[in-house]
Amino acid sequence: QLQLQESGPGLVTPSETLSLTCTVSGDSISGTNFYWGWIRQSPGKGLEWIANIYYGGTTYYNPSLKSRVTISVDTSNNQFSLKMRSVTAADTAVYYCARLLWSNIVTDWGQGTLVAVSS
Amino acid sequence: QPVLTQSPSASASLGASVKLSCTLNSGHINNAVAWHHQQPQKGPRYLMKVNSDGSLTKGDGIPRRFSGSSSGAERYLTISSLQSDDEGDYYCQTWGTGIVVFGGGTKLTVL
Repeated sequence: QLQLQESGPGLVTPSETLSLTCTVSGDSISGTNFYWGWIRQSPGKGLEWIANIYYGGTTYYNPSLKSRVTISVDTSNNQFSLKMRSVTAADTAVYYCARLLWSNIVTDWGQGTLVAVSS
Repeated sequence: QPVLTQSPSASASLGASVKLSCTLNSGHINNAVAWHHQQPQKGPRYLMKVNSDGSLTKGDGIPRRFSGSSSGAERYLTISSLQSDDEGDYYCQTWGTGIVVFGGGTKLTVL
């Protein structure tokens, strides 16, 4: 059974870089039908898609975040990662990693990790 | 790009049925949508994909009392025999060229 587990610091200083990793178990990240992505949810708010990546390296980004975000994949460790630069308090959220069918439909979710941006 | 519109809230009694809607904007009325359920203080869970022709692809272990349907620009999620665990937020989701889009969510209260 597929499991997605987010990891990374729970507290980031404003203007610094937020870094998260998602470890995939129960399936290969190199599967041909799936993309891997990040989605976040600010406190009390709805879901906001951040970025997707295919194991071969194709990436898609939310236009509103593209200038600050990089998604990458590590097939040898079955992981993918997110880096968000120049964070502010507005980036405080629960960050979920996810699996998507052909970059279209989210079919699996991680449990989420809360990242607070504060000095 | 696609935009999804959901009613902010809905309510129904324990054991009853409820039909939640998700409206696609003009130019994207043939998109499929996925429905996701988020219980309070938990992460979302994929329920099903609803195609424009009304065909469904359900997630693993999703009970039969969860069903979907389609009409024009509307995509629906119907939950029958409501249980207390069905409370929470329901999000529809679709995609455009290189992007993923979520609706604002509907908060369901089971009375």
